[in-house]
Amino acid sequence: GENVEQHPSTLSVQEGDSAVIKCTYSDSASNYFPWYKQELGKGPQLIIDIRSNVGEKKDQRIAVTLNKTAKHFSLHITETQPEDSAVYFCAASKTQAGTALIFGKGTTLSVSS
Amino acid sequence: DGGITQSPKYLFRKEGQNVTLSCEQNLNHDAMYWYRQDPGQGLRLIYYSQIVNDFQKGDIAEGYSVSREKKESFPLTVTSAQKNPTAFYLCASSVARGGSPLHFGNGTRLTVT
Repeated sequence: GENVEQHPSTLSVQEGDSAVIKCTYSDSASNYFPWYKQELGKGPQLIIDIRSNVGEKKDQRIAVTLNKTAKHFSLHITETQPEDSAVYFCAASKTQAGTALIFGKGTTLSVSS
Repeated sequence: DGGITQSPKYLFRKEGQNVTLSCEQNLNHDAMYWYRQDPGQGLRLIYYSQIVNDFQKGDIAEGYSVSREKKESFPLTVTSAQKNPTAFYLCASSVARGGSPLHFGNGTRLTVT
């Protein structure tokens, strides 16, 4: 089955810096890669996702890149703000019906002002 | 407002007792999921259901049971056979086709002593 590895487990940056979180996946048939943000005591919320027919996707300060050959995808947050502090999860799945998302172990991002 | 409701937010039980966690959604989603979250372990899939009266085991189904009698509801029972039941439990839903974003509830923190 699918296995998703996520690094780093913790990341501390200064406000205004960029943050990068990296994930690798094992199943070459996976083709859907979402990123979730989880604030304390709440459920994860989708922040951006990418499918295998696209190499990069941007939404304001957030971008995701995908390298299908290397089975690697990354989340980039630019101009970080204190409210970006949270736990971030990557995930992967196939797009056929009946499959479920498999998640990485998460990255705790701390943005200090 | 459409969403997923998990209740209660906190649940306490004595060892040896079965306990059922509630999950209700009004998003008209066909698929529902249960994940378990432990510190440093990410989200691990317990069970999922793509349609009423059908469900599949995830990676850590041992000691858990589910039912899906209604589209809106997917309760999870943590049985006394689950060796380490204390955890944060997250319910999610999505449209049934693979590669769809998950919508999460705000979780139930179960403590078994």
